[in-house]
Amino acid sequence: GEDVEQSLFLSVREGDSSVINCTYTDSSSTYLYWYKQEPGAGLQLLTYIFSNMDMKQDQRLTVLLNKKDKHLSLRIADTQTGDSAIYFCAERGAAGRRALTFGSGTRLQVQP
Amino acid sequence: DAGVIQSPRHEVTEMGQEVTLRCKLISGHNSLFWYRQTMMRGLELLIYFNNNVPIDDSGMPEDRFSAKMPNASFSTLKIQPSEPRDSAVYFCASSQTGERETQYFGPGTRLLVL
Repeated sequence: GEDVEQSLFLSVREGDSSVINCTYTDSSSTYLYWYKQEPGAGLQLLTYIFSNMDMKQDQRLTVLLNKKDKHLSLRIADTQTGDSAIYFCAERGAAGRRALTFGSGTRLQVQP
Repeated sequence: DAGVIQSPRHEVTEMGQEVTLRCKLISGHNSLFWYRQTMMRGLELLIYFNNNVPIDDSGMPEDRFSAKMPNASFSTLKIQPSEPRDSAVYFCASSQTGERETQYFGPGTRLLVL
């Protein structure tokens, strides 16, 4: 079945850039998503990218997609303490399959 | 606009009791997804509905779990009888069918079965 993998933890200093990586196995993925989860809260949609795109930028967020290697990354520029959270990568497979497959989440810790 | 509404936010119950979780979709959306989040298994899809019809319930753990969508904007997830291994955070997500479909999550119900 489909699988999505992420590293568990990332620590950066305030003001630095953060890069969170994700790999997936489903070659028919249509859309890939990044969600943010703060403690005790639900999942907040940050951004998404269509599988025929290489890059998408949205303010401090840059998503890079390497479809050949099935690798997705989320770069957060000028990381702030408020960015500390768990970041989930998710993929939606071929048209008709609407459920999302999530990674295990990467906990981002921003040091002041 | 209100987002996805879930209730209760927290539930503590004893093994064997019935638990009912509730979810209200975002106005105008036609699809609802129930997910469960645990430390061991992460986020897993339990079931999803499209236009009130259950489409994929392959993630429902066993017969103790049932989900309904009595109208276009509201769903319940019922566990009867509950067991300690059902302790988790249960999320509901709402979306509108389409190519650029995105799922919006509710705040979750944190369930503890003693």
